[in-house]
Amino acid sequence: TQLLEQSPQFLSIQEGENLTVYCNSSSVFSSLQWYRQEPGEGPVLLVTVVTGGEVKKLKRLTFQFGDARKDSSLHITAAQPGDTGLYLCAGFSSNTGKLIFGQGTTLQVKP
Amino acid sequence: NAGVMQNPRHLVRRRGQEARLRCSPMKGHSHVYWYRQLPEEGLKFMVYLQKENIIDESGMPKERFSAEFPKEGPSILRIQQVVRGDSAAYFCASSVRRGPDEAFFGQGTRLTVV
Repeated sequence: TQLLEQSPQFLSIQEGENLTVYCNSSSVFSSLQWYRQEPGEGPVLLVTVVTGGEVKKLKRLTFQFGDARKDSSLHITAAQPGDTGLYLCAGFSSNTGKLIFGQGTTLQVKP
Repeated sequence: NAGVMQNPRHLVRRRGQEARLRCSPMKGHSHVYWYRQLPEEGLKFMVYLQKENIIDESGMPKERFSAEFPKEGPSILRIQQVVRGDSAAYFCASSVRRGPDEAFFGQGTRLTVV
């Protein structure tokens, strides 16, 4: 069974601080995706990483895929209140065709 | 209709009734995934379907739950004889093909069993 462990599960910080969310697994994934979900809405795709060691930047968000394609991290620089939400990592296995989600990180950024 | 459409957005059912949740994938997408989410938790995989085929239903309870994706029309997740524990948000996602492609999600159906 493929599992994705996300940490931390909850994070409350002040505006302007930096933070990192981790997503770890013992399994190899074909790709890994990060989503953000607002209350009452569906997850919205932020980024897909495919190549081991790949780094992608989206404004103040930096995503990294581990060399072995088993783990990933999301780093937010100078967090803003608008970054508040649930962040989900999801691993895609081409063997099974399934997208497996971590349990999510609830981020609260206080003004 | 640019995105994945789910309906209804909210569904209230009494214990013992049936719930039918619909998902229309994005145009050109032939792969559909259903997920269940409890408050402040991640999404739990339920079932993966292609047109007219169930590919993987390992995450779906053996009893009372069924899913289909017919040649024409939306994908349906059906829950018979609902119980309070079925209350959750149910999301579907669609993708173009099996492989490392992005999956796009609908806004979900929030099922409340009273």
